[in-house]
Amino acid sequence: DAGVIQSPRHEVTEMGQEVTLRCKPISGHDYLFWYRQTMMRGLELLIYFNNNVPIDDSGMPEDRFSAKMPNASFSTLKIQPSEPRDSAVYFCASSWGTGTDNQPQHFGDGTRLSIL
Amino acid sequence: AQTVTQSQPEMSVQEAETVTLSCTYDTSESNYYLFWYKQPPSRQMILVIRQEAYKQQNATENRFSVNFQKAAKSFSLKISDSQLGDTAMYFCAFMKPGDDKIIFGKGTRLHILP
Repeated sequence: DAGVIQSPRHEVTEMGQEVTLRCKPISGHDYLFWYRQTMMRGLELLIYFNNNVPIDDSGMPEDRFSAKMPNASFSTLKIQPSEPRDSAVYFCASSWGTGTDNQPQHFGDGTRLSIL
Repeated sequence: AQTVTQSQPEMSVQEAETVTLSCTYDTSESNYYLFWYKQPPSRQMILVIRQEAYKQQNATENRFSVNFQKAAKSFSLKISDSQLGDTAMYFCAFMKPGDDKIIFGKGTRLHILP
């Protein structure tokens, strides 16, 4: 089975440019999560979706960040305009269901973003 | 609000030794789930082991086992016969039933030395 697929693997761009990160969750998973990882803050949840609908975006740092999930097999995280402090590794994860049987989240390989 | 604390930012042990990574958490819930995730240099996040709070028995997966102390709110990970491939960042995580989100600790960087 294919796992969570993220692209690109690395992104280097100049400050002020728009950045789009992509994620394909595992087929059949109805939850999708976007995380940001930095040395200072560890792993932070930015936003998550259930059945393509954003449920909680309280972790999104500011209006420059936006995320969409137009269908069950694709999500994007966009930063516009980008700033050097956005440099981090961004993870996408997906899972199936919650309720009383919490399924573990499966993570993609991450996108290392460097803003110069 | 729940919190997860990993007090050891970095550790090093010799290959074949046993190492224990500590994790404490704070919650008022009586039932919940705890996880250890491994992130090797390849950056992929891999689920190592999972524990349900209502189960008394400590979870075990091959060389990986946990010491779950519910009253103390402690969830340590023991790696036996450590191998070079165990070198990674290890994250402890908490989730409560019916909740969608996982709360992660800041991680412990583990180096296995040859």
